[in-house]
Amino acid sequence: QVQLVQSGAEVKKPGASVKVSCEVSGYTLTQVPMHWVRQAPGKGLEWMGGFDPEEGETMYAQRFQGRVTMTADTSSETAYMELSSLRSEDTAVYYCATTSGSQFGAFDIWGQGTMVTVSS
Amino acid sequence: DIQMTQSPSTLSASVGDRVTITCRASQSISNWLAWYQQKPGKAPNLLIYKTSFLESGVPSRFSGSGSGTEFTLTISSLQPDDFATYYCQQYNSYSPLTFGGGTKVEIK
Repeated sequence: QVQLVQSGAEVKKPGASVKVSCEVSGYTLTQVPMHWVRQAPGKGLEWMGGFDPEEGETMYAQRFQGRVTMTADTSSETAYMELSSLRSEDTAVYYCATTSGSQFGAFDIWGQGTMVTVSS
Repeated sequence: DIQMTQSPSTLSASVGDRVTITCRASQSISNWLAWYQQKPGKAPNLLIYKTSFLESGVPSRFSGSGSGTEFTLTISSLQPDDFATYYCQQYNSYSPLTFGGGTKVEIK
C-alpha cells in the first residue's frame, strides 16, 4: 500500500521560495507518477503539474511555468515541489498525489497536505 | 485548457435522498473522468475513475455515468457520512489536468 507523507507547514514572505517534500513508502518513487495539487482556503482543487508516463516527462500547468519545479530523489524516495516568487495568492494547502494502479491521472493516493502561508 | 463545469455548486438534501451531480467538459474527454469526495481539513478521496468504475472500498450507493462531455455522479440514498464536497476531474489531457469547481452537499 502506497503512503505519501508530506513536510510540515510553512510561512513565507512575498518573493520567497518554498520547497515541499513528499516521502513515498510502500512503493518506489519510480513506480508512482507524482503530481501536485493545491487548494486555496475555501476554494477548489488546482492541478500544478506532475509526471506523464506516456510522455515520459513532468508536465506543468502553464500558469505555473517558470515558477514551479518538481523533482525526485530516488535515494530517499522523496518528491519535491518548489514554488518561487511567492505571492499572497499562493497561500494554499499543497498536496502530492499519485496513482497506484493503471489509471494515470486519477489519484487514489494523496499526501496529508502542507499548508503554505505567504504573508509579509 | 479543458474546462470542467459542475452543477449545482451547492445542494441541500436529506438522509435517504437520491442525489445527482452533473459535470460538463468543454470538449470531449471520452470516459477519462474521476470523481472525488472531500471533507473539511482532509485530502480528497477518489470515489470513481474512468467515469463509472467504483474505487475499492467505496460504497455501492455511489455510481457514475456519462461519456464525451456530460457526466453524472449519483448517490442513490444519501447517508450522514456523505455530506461533503464533490469534485469531478478530467484526465484525458495533461495540458492541464482540470477539476470542476466542486459541489457542496449540505444537510437540508
